[in-house]
Amino acid sequence: GNSVTQMEGPVTLSEEAFLTINCTYTATGYPSLFWYVQYPGEGLQLLLKATKADDKGSNKGFEATYRKETTSFHLEKGSVQVSDSAVYFCALSVLGSGGSNYKLTFGKGTLLTVNP
Amino acid sequence: DTEVTQTPKHLVMGMTNKKSLKCEQHMGHRAMYWYKQKAKKPPELMFVYSYEKLSINESVPSRFSPECPNSSLLNLHLHALQPEDSALYLCASSQLLREKLFFGSGTQLSVL
Repeated sequence: GNSVTQMEGPVTLSEEAFLTINCTYTATGYPSLFWYVQYPGEGLQLLLKATKADDKGSNKGFEATYRKETTSFHLEKGSVQVSDSAVYFCALSVLGSGGSNYKLTFGKGTLLTVNP
Repeated sequence: DTEVTQTPKHLVMGMTNKKSLKCEQHMGHRAMYWYKQKAKKPPELMFVYSYEKLSINESVPSRFSPECPNSSLLNLHLHALQPEDSALYLCASSQLLREKLFFGSGTQLSVL
């Protein structure tokens, strides 16, 4: 089956520190990989995605590279801000037969707190 | 318009009540989803609608009844819920054959 393992945290950093949140996966077939972010009191927002090996997703200073050899999709940001405080979810999906959309498998989430 | 709108934002109900959660999107997406999220946990898929037809039911108890009256609307009817059903209920949508989900802000449900 499909599964996602991410570091559980919580992670507490000072502003402008470097961020890494590790994510590894197990999947049948060829998954697409995602990072979603959930700010307090809100739903999830797609942060970035990668659909094939060696793709790099990037958005708002965050980056993650799809590494098939290590089955990983680690999230990084060079300089975090207080406004980045949120819960980050790594996720994967594998398209079903016929190209139909299929469900996301989420990791447990990592709470990031950035202090000024 | 790139929003998924959910109402109400908060709901408190007793175990004998009947209530409904509503979700609306105007992005032309043909797949819509209900997720349940407990505190400090990832979202769990409940239902998927594709072209207004139920395509996935993740073995959800019958006290939760989804409805998709048209391509823009998704409802979740609630009846005889239990306190353990208290959670954040998230609606999402996506273009069919695409994998980017757009989530609403959710309805925080408390069952007393």
